[in-house]
Amino acid sequence: NAGVTQTPKFRVLKTGQSMTLLCAQDMNHEYMYWYRQDPGMGLRLIHYSVGEGTTAKGEVPDGYNVSRLKKQNFLLGLESAAPSQTSVYFCASRSQGPSGYTFGSGTRLTVV
Amino acid sequence: AQSVTQPDIHITVSEGASLELRCNYSYGATPYLFWYVQSPGQGLQLLLKYFSGDTLVQGIKGFEAEFKRSQSSFNLRKPSVHWSDAAEYFCAVGATGRRALTFGSGTRLQVQP
Repeated sequence: NAGVTQTPKFRVLKTGQSMTLLCAQDMNHEYMYWYRQDPGMGLRLIHYSVGEGTTAKGEVPDGYNVSRLKKQNFLLGLESAAPSQTSVYFCASRSQGPSGYTFGSGTRLTVV
Repeated sequence: AQSVTQPDIHITVSEGASLELRCNYSYGATPYLFWYVQSPGQGLQLLLKYFSGDTLVQGIKGFEAEFKRSQSSFNLRKPSVHWSDAAEYFCAVGATGRRALTFGSGTRLQVQP
């Protein structure tokens, strides 16, 4: 089925470890986004990309890096995980013009 | 900058009662407006969206929302709530171009038998 796939679905990290979350979409969408969801705060934008090879900071970018080497993939990296990064991470994509956003099913990350 | 306010953090209604969840947005031009629902431990499901045209929008699961430009609101309604509607509801505003969605903080709906 066409859509947005996030891997992994669950992960537990120790403080200071690094990891990469992968977001893949097969809809040829130009725009891709990474959000984090925390209780009582809705979803907040971490980074986004408007096309292959481009990335930009969102509302809460500190502690994260991203890359979009291929149009279909948007990677979110944590170089040195901190307990404050315990969250549920959602990836989304959309095409240009007035269109809906397609969300992945989320990655639940716990940093201990 | 765009923003979304959902004034009600938690709402409890009886099964069969009507429901209205409030959403106010701030955006300089005509916004794209969305309502999503999230069950515990699950992802986001799109209930409905408004881009243009008729200001009363019908969605899935019997939900509807009305765009009122004069009040900067996009409230979600359902005439008769079912126990399975218990979940968290998010209002979001987007726009053309590269803009990401901006979400409200959510309203948690509890349904009493």
